[in-house]
Formats: sequence, structure tokens, C-alpha cells
Amino acid sequence: EAGVAQSPRYKIIEKRQSVAFWCNPISGHATLYWYQQILGQGPKLLIQFQNNGVVDDSQLPKDRFSAERLKGVDSTLKIQPAKLEDSAVYLCASSSGGAYGYTFGSGTRLTVV
Amino acid sequence: QKEVEQNSGPLSVPEGAIASLNCTYSDRGSQSFFWYRQYSGKSPELIMSIYSNGDKEDGRFTAQLNKASQYVSLLIRDSQPSDSATYLCAVQGGSEKLVFGKGTKLTVNP
Repeated sequence: EAGVAQSPRYKIIEKRQSVAFWCNPISGHATLYWYQQILGQGPKLLIQFQNNGVVDDSQLPKDRFSAERLKGVDSTLKIQPAKLEDSAVYLCASSSGGAYGYTFGSGTRLTVV
Repeated sequence: QKEVEQNSGPLSVPEGAIASLNCTYSDRGSQSFFWYRQYSGKSPELIMSIYSNGDKEDGRFTAQLNKASQYVSLLIRDSQPSDSATYLCAVQGGSEKLVFGKGTKLTVNP
């Protein structure tokens, strides 16, 4: 089966600019996650979707980050305006539900200068 | 705030030795436990899952779980240079989301 697709792989922007990341989960996976991984740290959950509804966005900085999952399939994560501390890898993951762990995409490495 | 703590690294072992990676978690209601391997510049890859107390073996990897002590470990036997990576412990609760530790960087020296 095809894995979790993410784009772009790399992005460099200036602070205060906006950026968007795209994720297409494994076909049939109802749950989609966006994680932020800062260099040297473990992934931190930003938002969890179940189909097209938000399950958990408690750690999403809502003043600058937004995410949507229209039609319960692919998802977009946006940052506007970006700050230097947003430099990180943004990982998308999906799961079919249950206690089976999940599969990550290749990630988008964001550098804010 | 649910937390996952991993033993501070980096950890360096010679080729052929046993590497031992440890993890503790704060949420006593956690149900499922995972170990992910992350090579430099790559995304995390699931290598082991464990759900009940005791040991679970898969090839050279053994995961151990002790829910009473809120402790999870990963043993890698006959360590190979290709095992050099960061190992992430992840804990899953009722919402199915995973909470990750900071990771332990393992280096296997030839």
C-alpha cells in the first residue's frame, strides 16, 4: 500500500511569512495527525483529526497555526505568520484506529530565517 | 500533562553488544507502548509494540513492559552499526494519540 505522502520536503521562508504543508494519508485511514519535531526533541502532537473532525488541538498555537482536513482525506497545515522558533520538521501520520501505532510520512523540514 | 521520559544519551556500544534503552511514563492509564527508530534526517519508523506486562521478542529486539513501575525498555541484542539511530519511546492512551519521549541516540561502534 502507498504510504503517507507529504509535500514539500523542504521549505525556507523568512519570519512573518506564511507557509502551508500538505499531507495525504494511507487510503482508508480515518485518523490523521500532525506532529512538530524540533531538532533534538521527540515529536510533539499539534492536532489530531478523526475523519474531518478535530479530536485534539490542545497544543496547536492557534494564533498562528491552522489545519484542516476537508472531506476526511488529505490535510493542510498552515503557519501565518511564521516565527524563528517554528523551524522544525512537520510530520504527518495516519492510522486505521485502535492500538496499533501509526505510520509517518517523510516530513517537511521548515527553516525560518 | 502526560510525560514520557527516556534515559539520557547518547548511548555508545560496541558491535555485537546488547544495547539497553529505557523509558518511563506518567499516565497510569496508558494502554499501548511503542518503540520507533529514527535515522538522521528521516521520519520515525515503528519497530516494536507491546501491550501487556512481560517481554515481547522480535528478532534481535526485545521490548519489556512493567505497568506497575510504569516502565518500558528495549533491548537490542548483537547490535550492528546499522542500528545506530535515535530510538523514540511512545505511549498511547485512550484518545489513540501517541506521546513521545525525547529519544535516545544510539551509536554502535564497529
